[in-house]
Amino acid sequence: DSGVTQTPKHLITATGQRVTLRCSPRSGDLSVYWYQQSLDQGLQFLIHYYNGEERAKGNILERFSAQQFPDLHSELNLSSLELGDSALYFCASSVGSGHIYEQYFGPGTRLTVT
Amino acid sequence: AQSVTQPDIHITVSEGASLELRCNYSYGATPYLFWYVQSPGQGLQLLLKYFSGDTLVQGIKGFEAEFKRSQSSFNLRKPSVHWSDAAEYFCAVGALNTGNQFYFGTGTSLTVIP
Repeated sequence: DSGVTQTPKHLITATGQRVTLRCSPRSGDLSVYWYQQSLDQGLQFLIHYYNGEERAKGNILERFSAQQFPDLHSELNLSSLELGDSALYFCASSVGSGHIYEQYFGPGTRLTVT
Repeated sequence: AQSVTQPDIHITVSEGASLELRCNYSYGATPYLFWYVQSPGQGLQLLLKYFSGDTLVQGIKGFEAEFKRSQSSFNLRKPSVHWSDAAEYFCAVGALNTGNQFYFGTGTSLTVIP
């Protein structure tokens, strides 16, 4: 158990809908990262937050957004969902920013768009 | 640009045999390198990391990896594989200049036969 929690574990929704994925980092970690894992794209970095501030964006679609709250939990919002958004979404956390720290991954949320 | 290549998509070994999983990276500065393991339906678990210093690093579950700058490689090894090692293995490089994001390889699937 990495100490990173993600809810829900599974999510099935229809095209055009909007969903919110939630992540709680390990106790003491200030950084949260979101990744998407799909069969064709592999593991892709989406976005990084540190202590409530966005620090970096990767291959994140404009339909996707995220935020990190004062209690350090983070939410990833996916809207206007398409079939191709079906994937595993992982959250990871690390202790800080400004340096490379090992990232600890949550169990993931499996999103299925039908 | 940063990238990680794992040349072997799938490897099959016999239980008790030795294992080497290959990883090549492309990164302009000093690399921060990681190996993660993902069991079916699970998140990614950190096996080991290399930041600097001794080029042979030890990790959990009896794994080790050797950093070879001249070959841009960070191969994962285990002297004797157990059936429980069957999983997907990911090599990653941490990029300080792009928000601490990790770039992952496409993974190597390991099958262990009795």
